[in-house]
Formats: sequence, structure tokens, C-alpha cells
Amino acid sequence: DADVTQTPRNRITKTGKRIMLECSQTKGHDRMYWYRQDPGLGLQLIYYSFDVKDINKGEISDGYSVSRQAQAKFSLSLESAIPNQTALYFCATSDPRKGYNEQFFGPGTRLTVL
Amino acid sequence: RKEVEQDPGPFNVPEGATVAFNCTYSNSASQSFFWYRQDCRKEPKLLMSVYSSGNEDGRFTAQLNRASQYISLLIRDSKLSDSATYLCVVNTGGFKTIFGAGTRLFVKA
Repeated sequence: DADVTQTPRNRITKTGKRIMLECSQTKGHDRMYWYRQDPGLGLQLIYYSFDVKDINKGEISDGYSVSRQAQAKFSLSLESAIPNQTALYFCATSDPRKGYNEQFFGPGTRLTVL
Repeated sequence: RKEVEQDPGPFNVPEGATVAFNCTYSNSASQSFFWYRQDCRKEPKLLMSVYSSGNEDGRFTAQLNRASQYISLLIRDSKLSDSATYLCVVNTGGFKTIFGAGTRLFVKA
């Protein structure tokens, strides 16, 4: 079944460390997104990519960077992790057959920065 | 003011009850509307789209009121398996999709 996968699923790291979260999809979708979710807040968009050559900042991109290595892969990096980046991170893709409105999410990565 | 606002709940209802959630949005130019369901520690999944004419899917009914800028979700005959967080989602065009913080529902036996 076509899917969106994320690795790692859980990660504990220390302040100042560099960390990469990876996302892969077999849906064949061209649009991919990275969100973070904090308790009591909605999903906040970090970065989005319309295709391999098109990457855009979302509403909370400071402290993050991304790489779209291929249509199916979109990685999120924290160059120097800080405790307030502790959150649940989701990757998502859009279905071009539905006007890009429906988003399909990966299972999430729970990141803790000590 | 948040762009999409929901009552966080929690709503605690017995099995078989009818429960309704509302969501308000601030951008009058918003184009499409959705309800997503999120189970504890899991990813959000699309529950249903919300059309101007309203739509129904089994026990779930969604409605849109553009004049008052709110959407609603009605769940009839609640089941234990309906316990989850329900996210109101508004698309303002192109990439810009705004997720509400969610309304928590607990259905008890």
C-alpha cells in the first residue's frame, strides 16, 4: 500500500546537536510538507516543497533546514537543536488528483531535546 | 486572534449520544474546509471534506456557514471508537492550509 514513512520514530538528543529527520513516500505525490505539533497548538508548517527544485519556508522555519533529495524523499534538519524544538514532527504529502487539498501524513517523529 | 479556532474540549459523552463541534475561521477568502481525525500519538487522517451545501457520511455530518465563517461537525450515535481529537482544517488557496488545535472527544460506555 502506498505510504508515507518517517525515521526515526523517536529521538532524544542534547542541546547543540545536529539532527536529521527523514521522510519517504511511495504515493507518487509531488508536494511534501514538514509540520511540528505542540500540545494545545495546531500543526505549524515548517517547510514545504512543490517538487525537487522548489522549496519554500513555512511559518516557523527559523532553526530548521530541509533537503528534497528526490521526489520521494524530504528531510528536515535541526542544525543546532534547542529544547523548545521538542515536539512531534509530521511529514505530509499532497495528492495532485484532489487539487492538492487533502494531505497524507506520516506516523510522526517524537523529538526530545534535553 | 488565531486563524482557525476550536473549542479544545474535552467533550465527554456516553455511547449513543449526539455531539457537535464548531470551528471558526478568520480569513473570508478561505476556499476549502475539512475535518481531520487524530488518534492519540498518531498522525491526522482526513475524516471528511466540508462543502457549501453540507455533506453527510454515515453518522457524520459537516456543514459550512460562509456568512458567519464557521464550520461544524455533528456525530450521531457516538461509538467508543469515535474517541479522538478532531481537527478543523481550512485551506486559503495554494499551499496555505491552516490546522486548528483540535477538539478532544471521549466517548464512554
